[in-house]
Amino acid sequence: AQKITQTQPGMFVQEKEAVTLDCTYDTSDQSYGLFWYKQPSSGEMIFLIYQGSYDEQNATEGRYSLNFQKARKSANLVISASQLGDSAMYFCAMRDYSGNTGKLIFGQGTTLQVKP
Amino acid sequence: ETGVTQTPRHLVMGMTNKKSLKCEQHLGHNAMYWYKQSAKKPLELMFVYNFKEQTENNSVPSRFSPECPNSSHLFLHLHTLQPEDSALYLCASSLRGVSDSGANVLTFGAGSRLTVL
Repeated sequence: AQKITQTQPGMFVQEKEAVTLDCTYDTSDQSYGLFWYKQPSSGEMIFLIYQGSYDEQNATEGRYSLNFQKARKSANLVISASQLGDSAMYFCAMRDYSGNTGKLIFGQGTTLQVKP
Repeated sequence: ETGVTQTPRHLVMGMTNKKSLKCEQHLGHNAMYWYKQSAKKPLELMFVYNFKEQTENNSVPSRFSPECPNSSHLFLHLHTLQPEDSALYLCASSLRGVSDSGANVLTFGAGSRLTVL
C-alpha cells in the first residue's frame, strides 16, 4: 500500500535561512507523482511544487526546491531564504498513476514556524 | 481570492440536524473532491467526482451524502452526524480527470469547519 511519512511534527527556522522538510514515501509503482502543499492558518491548501517519478532533474519553483532521491524514496522540500509568511503547515502528497482513482495520499504534515 | 469557494466556512450542528456543505469552482475543472481533515491525522479522501460521475467512495459512512449536479458544484449533505465527525472539510478540484496521467494539481478551497455537538 502507498504511504507518505513526514517525521517532523514541528520545525523552527530563523528568517532568511533555508530549511528542509522531510518526506519519505512507499510505493511499488514505477509511475507516480509527488506534491508539496502549504496550509496557512486560514485553512486553504496551496500547491507549491511537483515532481514526477521519471523527471531527471529536481523540481524548483522560486524559493522552493524538491530534493528528489528516488532510490531512497525521499522527496524533501527545501525552502530558501525563509520569510515570516512561510509559517504554516506543509504536506507532502503522492499520486499513483498506475491506478485510475487519481487518489492523492497525504502525509501527516509538518508545522513550520519562522522566527524573526 | 481562491478559485474554489466553500460555504459555510463554519458550521455548528447537533447530532439530529441536517445540513449541507457547498463547494463551487469556476476554473473549468473536470474533477472534484471532498477531503476530511481531523486533528493530528493526514487528510482523508472521502469522495471523487470525475466529469460529474462519482468514481470514489472511500468507505465513507452513509450519514455523509455527496451530490454533484454539474461540473462546477459539489455538495456534501450531512445528517445524524457524530461528534467524531467534527473536522475541517476541504473541497478540491483538478483540471484533469482522475484517470489522466501527469501532474494533476488539486486546487483547494479554504474549507468548512464543522463542529458536531
